[in-house]
Amino acid sequence: AQSVTQLGSHVSVSEGALVLLRCNYSSSVPPYLFWYVQYPNQGLQLLLKYTSAATLVKGINGFEAEFKKSETSFHLTKPSAHMSDAAEYFCAVTFFQAGTALIFGKGTTLSVSS
Amino acid sequence: DVKVTQSSRYLVKRTGEKVFLECVQDMDHENMFWYRQDPGLGLRLIYFSYDVKMKEKGDIPEGYSVSREKKERFSLILESASTNQTSMYLCASSSTGEGRYGYTFGSGTRLTVV
Repeated sequence: AQSVTQLGSHVSVSEGALVLLRCNYSSSVPPYLFWYVQYPNQGLQLLLKYTSAATLVKGINGFEAEFKKSETSFHLTKPSAHMSDAAEYFCAVTFFQAGTALIFGKGTTLSVSS
Repeated sequence: DVKVTQSSRYLVKRTGEKVFLECVQDMDHENMFWYRQDPGLGLRLIYFSYDVKMKEKGDIPEGYSVSREKKERFSLILESASTNQTSMYLCASSSTGEGRYGYTFGSGTRLTVV
């Protein structure tokens, strides 16, 4: 069975500091991995995706994530936090097969202080 | 711009009422999904459909049913609303061929059952 664990329900950083949001997955088959962002009162927006190509994936707004099979991880990073990055972030896993669905982690709320 | 449209942004219903949440996508996607989002629990899959008139139970289908009579429309039905179904409901769609590229989400319906 597939599952996703996001370590830390709440992460606080200062503006300009490194952002690191942790995600570990469990999957018996090669996974496809995603990070989504949700701003207040909005739906989810895709940040980036890993689909078995390059293990270092670049997304929107300066975010990137690295797929590490040996560590079953897909951590999200950004070198320098901006106030506008404050939001909730979700890691999700699936595999490419008809009749499957995304499985989400419980989310990490990122706060950015000035 | 591709869209997933949820018919209501906010909804207040009484306990015991039958509630319909509607979702329409304009991308000719095969797959459609209903998730429920609660603080600290992330997104949990209720039902999904990979073809017209087809449906699959997700992780928490109890108390819900769905209908997919047309490819573009996927309805979530609360047969007899209860207060523990107060939540944010998110609809999403994806193409089977592009499923690995992530889903497109609607803006959500915040349902309150009183």
